[in-house]
Amino acid sequence: AQSVTQLGSHVSVSEGALVLLRCNYSSSVPPYLFWYVQYPNQGLQLLLKYTSAATLVKGINGFEAEFKKSETSFHLTKPSAHMSDAAEYFCAVSDRYGGATNKLIFGTGTLLAVQP
Amino acid sequence: DGGITQSPKYLFRKEGQNVTLSCEQNLNHDAMYWYRQDPGQGLRLIYYSQIVNDFQKGDIAEGYSVSREKKESFPLTVTSAQKNPTAFYLCASSPGPSSGNTIYFGEGSWLTVV
Repeated sequence: AQSVTQLGSHVSVSEGALVLLRCNYSSSVPPYLFWYVQYPNQGLQLLLKYTSAATLVKGINGFEAEFKKSETSFHLTKPSAHMSDAAEYFCAVSDRYGGATNKLIFGTGTLLAVQP
Repeated sequence: DGGITQSPKYLFRKEGQNVTLSCEQNLNHDAMYWYRQDPGQGLRLIYYSQIVNDFQKGDIAEGYSVSREKKESFPLTVTSAQKNPTAFYLCASSPGPSSGNTIYFGEGSWLTVV
């Protein structure tokens, strides 16, 4: 069965510092991978997704993630944190094959705090 | 504007009551989903529907029911059988495999038992 693990339920960085949020997946074949962001009291917003050949994926708000098959990882990064980046971030995985029955499996989330 | 609309945003339920959360989408998506979110537990899938008049149980379907009579609508009923219904409920939809199974979320509904 597919699974996704997010290391660190809470991450704190200073404004202007590098943001690194970790995500590892478990799958027998390279899956589809996603990062979502959730601001307080709101739904989840898609940040970026990996679905094809390009292993470095750029998303909104300056975030990017790199798919590394050898490490089964899809870590999210941003070179310089901004106060507005404070939110909860979810990694998710979906099987590449299986058609319409596929569902997204979510990690437990990482709460990012940005200190001034 | 296209999107997913959930209502109400806040709902209070008395013990023994059934309540229904509304979810409407105008994105012409085939698939729709209901997730429950509790602090520290991420998102858990309640029900999903790939096509009108068809739906499947997710990981935590007990105490919940759904219907999919129209493509754009996927209401969730929280029944009195759900013993711990206080949570944040998220509706989502997806165009399906053509999008890499990307799903898009509504703004969520808070349900509190009083």
